[in-house]
Amino acid sequence: QLKLQESGPGLVKPSGTLSLICTVSGGSLSNSPDYWGWMRQPPGKGLEWIGSIYNAANTYYNATLKNRISISADTSKNQFFLEMISVTAADTAVYFCVKDEGMAVTGIDFWGQGTLVSVSS
Amino acid sequence: EIVLTQSPATLSLSPGDTATLSCRASQNVKTYIAWYQQKVGQAPRLLISDASNRATGVPARFSGSGSGTDFTLTISSLQPEDFAVYYCQQRSSWPIFTFGPGTKVDV
Repeated sequence: QLKLQESGPGLVKPSGTLSLICTVSGGSLSNSPDYWGWMRQPPGKGLEWIGSIYNAANTYYNATLKNRISISADTSKNQFFLEMISVTAADTAVYFCVKDEGMAVTGIDFWGQGTLVSVSS
Repeated sequence: EIVLTQSPATLSLSPGDTATLSCRASQNVKTYIAWYQQKVGQAPRLLISDASNRATGVPARFSGSGSGTDFTLTISSLQPEDFAVYYCQQRSSWPIFTFGPGTKVDV
């Protein structure tokens, strides 16, 4: 069974960099046509797509965040990463890593449990 | 950007009732809508893809319909475990997509 696990600091200072790792087990980042991505959910609010990576190289970003984020992957470790710079309190959220089935007619079929990242001094 | 609107924001029902949730897109998304269920403290779970296809393991009481700009998620005979927040997601612009604001189904 595929499992995704987020890891990283739970507290980041304003103007700092948020860095998260998603470790995938029971599956491979290289599996086509899967896409791997990051979502976030501010406390008490809805879901926001951050971005996705395909084939460890092709990236797609939310237009409102693209100037501050970078998603990359290491297939040898079966991990993918999120880096977000210049964070503010508005970036406080639960961050989920996900697997997308890879087509418009499908959906996000696997989610990590989520990790809360707070931005505070 | 395609904007999704969900209504109502909150739906207050009882076990055994039928829930009808609406998702409206700001432009034609064909049938490229997915629905997710999120319980408190949990990650979302995929229920429906391509507007009407139930995901693996999803009970038959969950059904989806619609095309174009108007979509509906129907939950027949609500069970206690169905009280949750439901989100629609448009995948017309996949791999870039957006979510609706959610509908909370509570008692």
